[in-house]
Amino acid sequence: ELKVEQNPLFLSMQEGKNYTIYCNYSTTSDRLYWYRQDPGKSLESLFVLLSNGAVKQEGRLMASLDTKARLSTLHITAAVHDLSATYFCAVDRYHSNYQLIWGAGTKLIIKP
Amino acid sequence: DSGVTQTPKHLITATGQRVTLRCSPRSGDLSVYWYQQSLDQGLQFLIQYYNGEERAKGNILERFSAQQFPDLHSELNLSSLELGDSALYFCASSVGISYEQYFGPGTRLTVT
Repeated sequence: ELKVEQNPLFLSMQEGKNYTIYCNYSTTSDRLYWYRQDPGKSLESLFVLLSNGAVKQEGRLMASLDTKARLSTLHITAAVHDLSATYFCAVDRYHSNYQLIWGAGTKLIIKP
Repeated sequence: DSGVTQTPKHLITATGQRVTLRCSPRSGDLSVYWYQQSLDQGLQFLIQYYNGEERAKGNILERFSAQQFPDLHSELNLSSLELGDSALYFCASSVGISYEQYFGPGTRLTVT
């Protein structure tokens, strides 16, 4: 059974600091996705990672994928208050009929 | 704006009632997904349709049902509502069955 674990589940940090959110999954995956959700709002797609070693960056966010370690990271550089949100990772797998399996989400609070 | 529309935005109803949530996918998307998100909870996958056919089922209660129509819009029917059904219900769409999902704004259901 494919399982996805994120850690930490909650993170409070100061502006200007760097931090990393981790997403581990239990079996081979075809794709890994990162989404952002603001409180009470919808989910916004951030990154789609398709292959081992994939790295994508958008502003202060950078996501990477290590399929051998079954690990993706979302790195936040010099955090700003606007990045406060809940971040979800999700993976899909052919044998799960491509159903996305979601992590529990990491609630990130960045204090000014 | 993801291009996915959901109506209504808010719905308040009483226990035991039945409601219908509606979703229109992005133009060209054939897959529709339904998710439930309770307060401070992660995403629970309910069901997926692809081009009118059910493709995958998640943790969907027997009181809930869904369908996708020939014009590709989808409806989620919730019956015999209970207090615990209060949640945000999201619809998402994608081009195919293994592609990035785009989320609608959600319907907030409150059961009193």
